[in-house]
Amino acid sequence: AQKITQTQPGMFVQEKEAVTLDCTYDTSDQSYGLFWYKQPSSGEMIFLIYQGSYDEQNATEGRYSLNFQKARKSANLVISASQLGDSAMYFCAMRGASGGSYIPTFGRGTSLIVHP
Amino acid sequence: ETGVTQTPRHLVMGMTNKKSLKCEQHLGHNAMYWYKQSAKKPLELMFVYSLEERVENNSVPSRFSPECPNSSHLFLHLHTLQPEDSALYLCASSQDRTLSQHNEQFFGPGTRLTVL
Repeated sequence: AQKITQTQPGMFVQEKEAVTLDCTYDTSDQSYGLFWYKQPSSGEMIFLIYQGSYDEQNATEGRYSLNFQKARKSANLVISASQLGDSAMYFCAMRGASGGSYIPTFGRGTSLIVHP
Repeated sequence: ETGVTQTPRHLVMGMTNKKSLKCEQHLGHNAMYWYKQSAKKPLELMFVYSLEERVENNSVPSRFSPECPNSSHLFLHLHTLQPEDSALYLCASSQDRTLSQHNEQFFGPGTRLTVL
């Protein structure tokens, strides 16, 4: 079975500062993918970044980077130079081929508030 | 229109009503998903369709009935719901069900459902 754990229910950060959102996962799959999504108050989930289990380099997408530590089974999201528009819920998710299925598993999310 | 759209955005219904949620994707994807998002709970996967065939039914009560007439449209038919079914219902699509780089899910804005 797959499991995603996000231990920070809420985080606060000053505008223009960097912030790290934690994500740990558990899986018996050798091949899997890790995703981060952002959900603003409007409700729509927005894809941010992807990391494959065999990728040797950490993924980066603009101000987003993923600190992937495979041995520790962690996939933390780093947002650099925070902006007020970054205030939202952030979800970590994974997909692995358990039993031939590729069912996505989501964490409970972290609420990020960016202060001016 | 692009992306994933959902209608209606808000729905209030009584326990004896029958209603349907609609999802449409304009991305040429082959997999579509229904999720339920309740307050303080992880995102719950309800159904997965791949090439119009239901491939996952995640122990969802029969009062929820999905329908996928073609690869672009997905419906969720609702009847005799309970107040605990009140939640945000999210539709998503992805290129396919397999694990591959950038096979992320694209989400619609959701339908906020209230059952009285």
